[in-house]
Amino acid sequence: DAKTTQPPSMDCAEGRAANLPCNHSTISGNEYVYWYRQIHSQGPQYIIHGLKNNETNEMASLIITEDRKSSTLILPHATLRDTAVYYCIVRVASNAGNMLTFGGGTRLMVKP
Amino acid sequence: DVKVTQSSRYLVKRTGEKVFLECVQDMDHENMFWYRQDPGLGLRLIYFSYDVKMKEKGDIPEGYSVSREKKERFSLILESASTNQTSMYLCASRTGGGDTEAFFGQGTRLTVV
Repeated sequence: DAKTTQPPSMDCAEGRAANLPCNHSTISGNEYVYWYRQIHSQGPQYIIHGLKNNETNEMASLIITEDRKSSTLILPHATLRDTAVYYCIVRVASNAGNMLTFGGGTRLMVKP
Repeated sequence: DVKVTQSSRYLVKRTGEKVFLECVQDMDHENMFWYRQDPGLGLRLIYFSYDVKMKEKGDIPEGYSVSREKKERFSLILESASTNQTSMYLCASRTGGGDTEAFFGQGTRLTVV
């Protein structure tokens, strides 16, 4: 199973772009990169996912390197409400469950 | 609005008690999951189920069992609660195929005293 490595914490000024890196050097060809976030005392919330192309939605952009060994989640204009733990996950494919394996994540602190 | 609902937000139980944590989803998802979350350890998978009456062990199944009698409901059972099972428990569900996203409940904070 591919594992991910993220910095434990990051700060970002309110209104600026937050760029959250993730390394997944052992990712295999059919594994997707997912990002979730967890705001304090709530369940994790899906943000975005991708396979090899860059993706954008109303919440964020996902940039995946050409070799797929790393990716960056971009929150273009961070707000105080974006303060959360952000999890980068590589989807584990199995015969049964398509389960998600969460690592430690990055605690993003958005500061005024 | 899609929804995963956990029966309790906060729960306090005594050591040795049998504890049931209930999770219901209204999205007709095949897959359901139970995680626990502890400071410094992230989310760890306890059990998951990919169909009614089917279950698979996750990374830390010891001390837990599960039940999936109906598609929409996935129950986590602590047969004999212990203090090291004090944790935040999160239920999630997702549909069966491909690259779909998972939806999480709000969590149950269980304290075993």
